[in-house]
Formats: sequence, structure tokens, C-alpha cells
Amino acid sequence: EVQLVESGGGLVKPGGSLRLSCAASGFTFSIYTMKWVRQAPGKGLECVSSITRSGAFINYADSVKGRFTISRDNAKNSLYLQMNSLRVEDTAVYFCARDQSPIDYWGQGTLVTVSS
Amino acid sequence: EIVMTQSPATLSVSPGERATLSCRASQSVNSDLAWYQQKPGQAPRLLVYGASTRVTAIPARFSGSGSGTEFTLTISSLQSEDFAVYYCQQYDRWPDTFGQGTKVQIK
Repeated sequence: EVQLVESGGGLVKPGGSLRLSCAASGFTFSIYTMKWVRQAPGKGLECVSSITRSGAFINYADSVKGRFTISRDNAKNSLYLQMNSLRVEDTAVYFCARDQSPIDYWGQGTLVTVSS
Repeated sequence: EIVMTQSPATLSVSPGERATLSCRASQSVNSDLAWYQQKPGQAPRLLVYGASTRVTAIPARFSGSGSGTEFTLTISSLQSEDFAVYYCQQYDRWPDTFGQGTKVQIK
């Protein structure tokens, strides 16, 4: 069974940093592109970053470019999102997602709250 | 970026009735269009990809159609478990973008 389990969310002040992790199991992690998608409270879905299976190609949404860094460790079946210079508008549930063009599996999400 | 626009924002339907949801892309996405269902407190669930290919575990009452810029998700006979928010997503080019969602609620 495919499982994606996010961790690392929490409350942080504006300008602060957080590192999200996603532990993958039940499939061969190393052959899939992975993504982070976020959903602000009561709002829609925004794809914030994507990383190919080897990490050779990475994309970011304009809203997070220069502040967020996606990475992966295929030996540990793990995906990461380093979030720096956080803003109030980054408050959202962050989902780890497996991409099969389109996304076919999602984690349950981890809540990031940016507030003073 | 490609803007996805869904209509209506809210759809009130009685159980057993048909629901038709629309999604429009600001430019052609070919058939690289997916539909997701999301219930409160849950992650989205993939229903349809390639505009019209239903995921294996999804009931046949869900069907997708369209190509280019105009797409439709039809639920032929709404069941109680189908009341949820539905999102379309284009994955033709980065950034993948989602519509704002259509909430299907009980009439």
C-alpha cells in the first residue's frame, strides 16, 4: 500500500524557517517525480515545488522561489521541503504527493502556521 | 501560468440526480487534465486523468470528457458519499494549476 507521511509542520513567526519531511513507503520511491502541494485554510490547491526522480530537475512556484528548497534522499525514501523567510501567506496544509502525471497519491498533510 | 476556471462554484443536487461540473483552461492543455475529489479534513483523491480515463477504483458513475480548453466531469447519479469539493488540474506544463473548486452539496 502506498503511504506518504508528512511531518515537521508547526507554528513559526514571520521570517522564520521550517523543514518538512515526507516518508514514503509501499512503492519504489526512487523512480517517481515527487511534489509538494499546499492548501491555505478554506482555499484551493497550489503546487509549490517538484523534483524529478534523480533530483536533476527541480521547479518552484513563483510564490516560493528563492525561499523554499525541495530535496530528496532516495536511500531513505524521503522527500523534504526547506522553507525559509516564511510569510503569513505561507500558512497552509502542505501535502507530499507522488506524481504519475498527474498526482496519483497524496499524504494527509502537515499544517504550517506563520503568525506573530 | 495556465489559469483553470471551474463552474459553478457551488452545485446543489438531490441524491440520485446528475451533476455536471465544468472546467476551462486559459490555453490548451491538450488532454492533460485531471479531476480530484476532496472531503473535509482529507487529502484529494484522483478520479479521472487524461481528461476521460477513470481511475480503476472509481465508480463508473464518474465520467470525464473534453480536450484543449473545455472539460466536464459528470456524476450520473449522485450518492451520499459524492457530496464533496471537486477540483480540476492541468498537468500539461509547469506550474501544475488547479481550478478553485466546485462544491457539490445536498439540495
